[in-house]
Order: sequence, then structure tokens, then C-alpha cells
Amino acid sequence: AQKITQTQPGMFVQEKEAVTLDCTYDTSDQSYGLFWYKQPSSGEMIFLIYQGSYDEQNATEGRYSLNFQKARKSANLVISASQLGDSAMYFCAMREGLTGGGNKLTFGTGTQLKVEL
Amino acid sequence: DTGVSQNPRHKITKRGQNVTFRCDPISEHNRLYWYRQTLGQGPEFLTYFQNEAQLEKSRLLSDRFSAERPKGSFSTLEIQRTEQGDSAMYLCASSLSRNQETQYFGPGTRLLVL
Repeated sequence: AQKITQTQPGMFVQEKEAVTLDCTYDTSDQSYGLFWYKQPSSGEMIFLIYQGSYDEQNATEGRYSLNFQKARKSANLVISASQLGDSAMYFCAMREGLTGGGNKLTFGTGTQLKVEL
Repeated sequence: DTGVSQNPRHKITKRGQNVTFRCDPISEHNRLYWYRQTLGQGPEFLTYFQNEAQLEKSRLLSDRFSAERPKGSFSTLEIQRTEQGDSAMYLCASSLSRNQETQYFGPGTRLLVL
């Protein structure tokens, strides 16, 4: 079974509008972390935002917010006021276990976001 | 604070040749990870180091692959007897072990095996 599912291969949004990128996850751990990364065409993975499984409030970082619904096992990324520079591939990732021994990330297949004028 | 760097950025090689990639992590980071990303997929974990110790290896890492981090700073990933299926982007990430352990990625090395 997929641990991270991103069901939107591609999304379009108009400049200055908000967009939601979906992510659902599957884990039996109580402690885990959820991440979103942006990958422009240059290839580098850029960290955007983090949500821990015990965090009661949704994470926010500037124009990025994470809509965390633990019971539904979803961690959607919301980008407000989209800019042309937001056009990129976006990956949701999970780390199972919050502390201790080295925690590899499991990634989804990504969503390609295109911001239009 | 310089980020993670990787060299070379691009590598084209013929099948059967050996290749070596280098990753320089963020200086104070004690953990270093290697991932592989093929077209249309998210990165997949290969291996990770805490300081100089290699603590976990994925079953994706066949015996043709070897990684080292000899002094707990930079790391190398070597692929022996390359195959066309090894063509991918190889990403390195580093982190500081703590509760919210965020991995910061380098620009990657794109490998093409002809």
C-alpha cells in the first residue's frame, strides 16, 4: 500500500489565487512528521513546511499552510496568493518516528503546479 | 550558511563504467542521506549516515552501490558496473538530529547511462 498518496498529477491556478494540493498518508505509528517540498525544474528539493503528528495547530510558513486532519490522515498544502515562481513540482513526504534513529523520508509521486497569469 | 552541495551536477557514462558522486552537507549537520529519483517519481531512500557510521541501507542499494562518509563530513556514492536502469537523479540531504528533523537537499546529480 502507498504510504503517501498525491492524487493530483497536475494542477493549474491563476496568479494571486489560493490553491490546495492534496496529500493522504498511511502509517500505524503514533509519532510521525509530515513535510512538503517544492522541486523546480532545476531539480533541487526545497523544504517548505513541517507538521508533527502531535502538533495541535496547523503549521504555517508565510504563504504556505498545512491543513492537517489527523483522523482522515490528510496533510494538504495550501498556497495563498499564488505567484508565477510557485510553478514547480510539489512533494508530500512522511517520516515515521519523531525522534531517535535516523528517519528516512517516504515521498509521494508529486503534483505539478502551474501558475497562470 | 552554505547549503548542501553535490558534484558533479551531471554525469553521462557508458554502461559498465564506474561512477562516483560527492555530497558536501551543511557543516554542522551530523546526518546525511542519499536518495534516488527517477522520472515522474518522488525520491526513494537509499542510505543514511550518522556522523561516519552508515546506519541504514535500502534494499534498493544493490551490491554495485557503495557509500562512504569517512570523516563524518562529505560523503561519496559509488556505482560500479553501471546499468541503464541506474539512470536517475541522485539527491543528497543533510540534517541535524533533533525532534523536528528537517532534511535539506542538495541540487542533485543527474546520471545518464548509455
